[in-house]
Amino acid sequence: GQNIDQPTEMTATEGAIVQINCTYQTSGFNGLFWYQQHAGEAPTFLSYNVLDGLEEKGRFSSFLSRSKGYSYLLLKELQMKDSASYLCAYRSYNTDKLIFGTGTRLQVFP
Amino acid sequence: EPEVTQTPSHQVTQMGQEVILRCVPISNHLYFYWYRQILGQKVEFLVSFYNNEISEKSEIFDDQFSVERPDGSNFTLKIRSTKLEDSAMYFCASSEAVAGGREQYFGPGTRLTVT
Repeated sequence: GQNIDQPTEMTATEGAIVQINCTYQTSGFNGLFWYQQHAGEAPTFLSYNVLDGLEEKGRFSSFLSRSKGYSYLLLKELQMKDSASYLCAYRSYNTDKLIFGTGTRLQVFP
Repeated sequence: EPEVTQTPSHQVTQMGQEVILRCVPISNHLYFYWYRQILGQKVEFLVSFYNNEISEKSEIFDDQFSVERPDGSNFTLKIRSTKLEDSAMYFCASSEAVAGGREQYFGPGTRLTVT
């Protein structure tokens, strides 16, 4: 079957670091994506992992462990504009569709 | 920076009516997708399209749905007879390629309201 889980909500303080976890179960795997979605807007691409390890992109980093079916998105130096939903999605092997989690709504407070 | 565009931004229709949602993918992209997101729920895959044919479709994409690339730039989603439960945000996406992990770029969405 296909399953992907992430926390529903998280809160953090401006300037802090937050880690959003995602676990998935799939019979085939071809990449893990993180998207940011502000309310009422489209998802925008943040990061992609296909091999184990950490990918860093400015204030955002994403980690993948394929053996554990686990990924996290790390946001550093949080800003108020980072308040949004963060969507974890994987692509199954031999298919091009993305399977999304329900998203983690992050609220950043001053 | 090139982007995916969608029209209209908001469509209100009566149950049983046909709607056509339009998308213009990024010009050098080859793979096209439709997703939907019911309010407060997750983004769900509907269909993928490559080389002028459907490459994959989900269980949601039943006989009431169809897609078309009528010319070199537009990509449309048609719902023949809308139902109340079709009310959702519909996102078009495109990517350069599947292999190599190319990300899918999403359009701004069309909010469909069926009354």
